[in-house]
Order: sequence, then structure tokens, then C-alpha cells
Amino acid sequence: QKEVEQNSGPLSVPEGAIASLNCTYSDRGSQSFFWYRQYSGKSPELIMFIYSNGDKEDGRFTAQLNKASQYVSLLIRDSQPSDSATYLCAVNANDYKLSFGAGTTVTVRA
Amino acid sequence: EAQVTQNPRYLITVTGKKLTVTCSQNMNHEYMSWYRQDPGLGLRQIYYSMNVEVTDKGDVPEGYKVSRKEKRNFPLILESPSPNQTSLYFCASSLFAGDNEQFFGPGTRLTVL
Repeated sequence: QKEVEQNSGPLSVPEGAIASLNCTYSDRGSQSFFWYRQYSGKSPELIMFIYSNGDKEDGRFTAQLNKASQYVSLLIRDSQPSDSATYLCAVNANDYKLSFGAGTTVTVRA
Repeated sequence: EAQVTQNPRYLITVTGKKLTVTCSQNMNHEYMSWYRQDPGLGLRQIYYSMNVEVTDKGDVPEGYKVSRKEKRNFPLILESPSPNQTSLYFCASSLFAGDNEQFFGPGTRLTVL
């Protein structure tokens, strides 16, 4: 079993819709959870992090964490064409290592 | 400008020819890390460094070496590259291990023939 698994893509949504991205992780001791965005040909950049169960909102992005279910998600509201990218879920089980999922590619149709 | 730089950005080489990919950060970060990114596999950690002269293996260290003689530099060395090391490589740094955000370099696309 992979340490971090993301729902397979690609995910295509119309402009203005909600894009929902899911991620599960295997290490129950994981403490920190991150969402990175990676545009084609570019390096990953951090868009959200979450530590506690529940929701965390930042602009059009909402991260949701459920440690009991070992599940973290990212919602993108009012999706824009500029949101078209690959989204990487990352989990920090200890201070030394960040484990990444394979990524979900999102395409926002104008 | 705060940044992580990598060189070269693109490299085509042949099996067995030793190469070094340089990584440098100007943010006085303690923690640095190397990843490789392959389709369907995501980012996998090769090596990381907690500070000067402190390095350790990540998930896929075979065939790679690193050194951390200075805080700002963390080169990745392939002593005898093989075709299965063809990949996109990213260097990243953060203020300290476990910090919220890792800053990534622009990537190095390596092809080993």
C-alpha cells in the first residue's frame, strides 16, 4: 500500500464549479498535511496546510482533515482556468520526511 | 530574491558517466532535500539533510550520493548513471525539518541513454 494515495484523474470541471480532490494516507501517526499545486513544467508550490481535524479555508480553497479516517481533501470553489494544474497531497509523518501522492490533474473548462 | 536554484536544468548523458546536479538556496535554510518525480509515482525523496554534514537516506537512495559541506549547497551526485535514473529531479529546502513549507527549485530534467 502506498503511503499517500490520491484519487486518480484527470478531473475536468466547468469554470465556476467546485473541484473536489481526495487523499488518503497509511501512517496513522501523521501530523501535518499539505496541498501543493504544480503547473505543467513547473515546480510544486504550497497552497494549503492543515494540522487539526476539520476544515480550513483560504480564499477559494478549503482543506478538510479527518484523522480517524486518515483522509484529507481539498475543495476548490468557483474554479478558474488558472486552477488547471496537478495537485499533490503531502503528508509529514515525522520531521524528516514529506511523503507525496502521485497527484491529481485538474482541468477547468472555460 | 529568495530562491532555490538548480543546475543544469536539462541534461542528456550516457550510462556510466558521472554527473553532479547542483542545488543552492539563499534563505539560510537548515533542511534540504532531493526528490525525483516520475509519471504515476509522484515525488519520491532521495536524500535529505538536516544541517551541515548531516545527511540521510530517503525512500529511493540507491545510485545517488549527496554532500552538505556548506549550509547553502546540497549537490546530488550520480557516480554511474543508468537509464532508470532518467527522471525529473527537484531540490527543496525549508527553514528547519518539519517546517510548514518546503521551497522547490525549478527542476532538472535528466535523460540517461
